[in-house]
Amino acid sequence: GDSVVQTEGQVLPSEGDSLIVNCSYETTQYPSLFWYVQYPGEGPQLHLKAMKANDKGRNKGFEAMYRKETTSFHLEKDSVQESDSAVYFCALTQTYGQNFVFGPGTRLSVLP
Amino acid sequence: KAGVTQTPRYLIKTRGQQVTLSCSPISGHRSVSWYQQTPGQGLQFLFEYFSETQRNKGNFPGRFSGRQFSNSRSEMNVSTLELGDSALYLCASSFGTSGGEQYFGPGTRLTVT
Repeated sequence: GDSVVQTEGQVLPSEGDSLIVNCSYETTQYPSLFWYVQYPGEGPQLHLKAMKANDKGRNKGFEAMYRKETTSFHLEKDSVQESDSAVYFCALTQTYGQNFVFGPGTRLSVLP
Repeated sequence: KAGVTQTPRYLIKTRGQQVTLSCSPISGHRSVSWYQQTPGQGLQFLFEYFSETQRNKGNFPGRFSGRQFSNSRSEMNVSTLELGDSALYLCASSFGTSGGEQYFGPGTRLTVT
């Protein structure tokens, strides 16, 4: 079945550092790819998305490129801020279905 | 536009009891999915309903069931509760079209004692 793996556990950059959170997926079909962000006490919310290969999702300075050749969708930002601290989930869904598969989540804690 | 709402927000039950959780999707959304979130297992897909029919199902025992009504509102039921069922239960709605994003509610925190 489909699967998603991402940077495990917690990452602790300082404010102003650059960031890469890795995400790789396995599927035999043609997924749409997403990053969701979850703040304490809330449900996950859509952060950015890419619907097909070579699409780039962008939101609030974050970017992720849908790379079919490496089956990756890494989340990147040039300069993180304390307000970016949250849990980030990489996810995929198939073009012809609504069954989302989520990665285990990465806790981003930006140090002031 | 109002977001996804879930009731109740918090619930405490005893082992062996059953529980029903409710979800109201965003207006116009026809698909509702349910997820279980725990620290150890992350976000796990339970099932998805579209136009009152279960369209997808995750790998959970038959104690977990759901339904969707004609107004797209959905309920999930867990019978014979076990301690391991303690989790945050999230509902997400979408238009139900191919590859579209889902919008999550705040979740129901279930504690089984």
